[in-house]
Amino acid sequence: DAKTTQPPSMDCAEGRAANLPCNHSTISGNEYVYWYRQIHSQGPQYIIHGLKNNETNEMASLIITEDRKSSTLILPHATLRDTAVYYCIVRVRAAGNKLTFGGGTRVLVKP
Amino acid sequence: EPEVTQTPSHQVTQMGQEVILRCVPISNHLYFYWYRQILGQKVEFLVSFYNNEISEKSEIFDDQFSVERPDGSNFTLKIRSTKLEDSAMYFCASSLDVDYGYTFGSGTRLTVV
Repeated sequence: DAKTTQPPSMDCAEGRAANLPCNHSTISGNEYVYWYRQIHSQGPQYIIHGLKNNETNEMASLIITEDRKSSTLILPHATLRDTAVYYCIVRVRAAGNKLTFGGGTRVLVKP
Repeated sequence: EPEVTQTPSHQVTQMGQEVILRCVPISNHLYFYWYRQILGQKVEFLVSFYNNEISEKSEIFDDQFSVERPDGSNFTLKIRSTKLEDSAMYFCASSLDVDYGYTFGSGTRLTVV
C-alpha cells in the first residue's frame, strides 16, 4: 500500500471548517483513499473513502486532486467532539485487505 | 446504529497465561479483523478473517495467536502464553464488503503482569 504523509498536529476553531491535508504521491490506480479518526483511546471510526471523485457524507467531504497525489478531508463545522487523531490511509480495494495506520494528524478543536 | 461489541473491556492476566478476547461483529458483516495498539503507539494490524479462514496476518501474529469464529456470531482472539509485551488495547473490526469502511469495537485493554 502507498505511504501517506500528514501533518502531525493542527488546531481549528469550533464552528469553522477544518481542512486536513494528506499526501500520497506514490498512490497507484487501484488504491483508494480512506479516512478514519480515533477519539482518545476508542476504536478507530470510519469517516469516508474515495477513489478519484470527490465524496461527501454526513460526517465530512473528501477532495482528491486530479492527479490523485494528495487529498483533503473537510469537516464543515468542527465541534469540540471532533477533537481526535485523523488517519489518512491508502488501501487496495481487495477482500480482507488490511488498513495500515500511520501517525495521523492530531486535531484539537478549540472553543 | 449497529455496533461491534468486545468483551471484556479490561483484562489483567499473569505472564504465561492464556487469554481469549471476544468480539461480536455486526451480524451481516463478512470480513473480520483484529488490531492492537500499544499505549502511545500506532494501531497495528494483526489478522483478517473471511469465509472461515485467515486472509492475511502480520508478523506480530505468530504461533502464540489464533482466531476462531466458533458459532457464526462470535469472533475470538486467543493468546496462548501471554508476554509482558502483549499488553495493549486490542480492537476487533468487521466490514460488510470491500467497498465499505470497517466498524471497530471499543476495544479490550489487556494488561499482562
